[in-house]
Amino acid sequence: KAGVTQTPRYLIKTRGQQVTLSCSPISGHRSVSWYQQTPGQGLQFLFEYFSETQRNKGNFPGRFSGRQFSNSRSEMNVSTLELGDSALYLCASSFPTGVGPNTGELFFGEGSRLTVL
Amino acid sequence: GEDVEQSLFLSVREGDSSVINCTYTDSSSTYLYWYKQEPGAGLQLLTYIFSNMDMKQDQRLTVLLNKKDKHLSLRIADTQTGDSAIYFCAESGGATNKLIFGTGTLLAVQP
Repeated sequence: KAGVTQTPRYLIKTRGQQVTLSCSPISGHRSVSWYQQTPGQGLQFLFEYFSETQRNKGNFPGRFSGRQFSNSRSEMNVSTLELGDSALYLCASSFPTGVGPNTGELFFGEGSRLTVL
Repeated sequence: GEDVEQSLFLSVREGDSSVINCTYTDSSSTYLYWYKQEPGAGLQLLTYIFSNMDMKQDQRLTVLLNKKDKHLSLRIADTQTGDSAIYFCAESGGATNKLIFGTGTLLAVQP
């Protein structure tokens, strides 16, 4: 069974540009969540999607957005990049909590490492 | 607000047991997790425990939960050099996949 797949794995952008990151969840998983990892702030929750709807959002500016498609794949977008957006962006998938078999298992991908110059 | 705390560093000798500790503040936590992160990699789910459990054992891993003190620990028996990594504790309310992570504990295993 394939794991959570994130693309691209590495990318370099300049300030002011925008970036789109992609996440394909484990087959059968319908809930996708995104996290940002930086040395200074650690791991922080960005947002969570289920059935193409955003269920929860972390404390990030509006430049950070996301969406989920009907096949459960998800993308996140960061516009007007700042130096501080340099981070490892991690996607996680699971069965939806509260619906169906809730095992509590939340699996992460390898991440997309974004460097903003 | 919600907060999860861990000690930053633990050093053990190969073959010894490692115990990584974590405290959390959210009394409504439903699931508590342990993840492992190796350099340049994502997060690997090691184990998790439901909040109505006191203990969970999975091969070399033992998780203990003291809900009264909001204290979680991960014991790794017979620690190997391949266990060297950063270990993250996390909690969630269960109705959502919003995890609150600790700062991570760097485990260094000396041969």
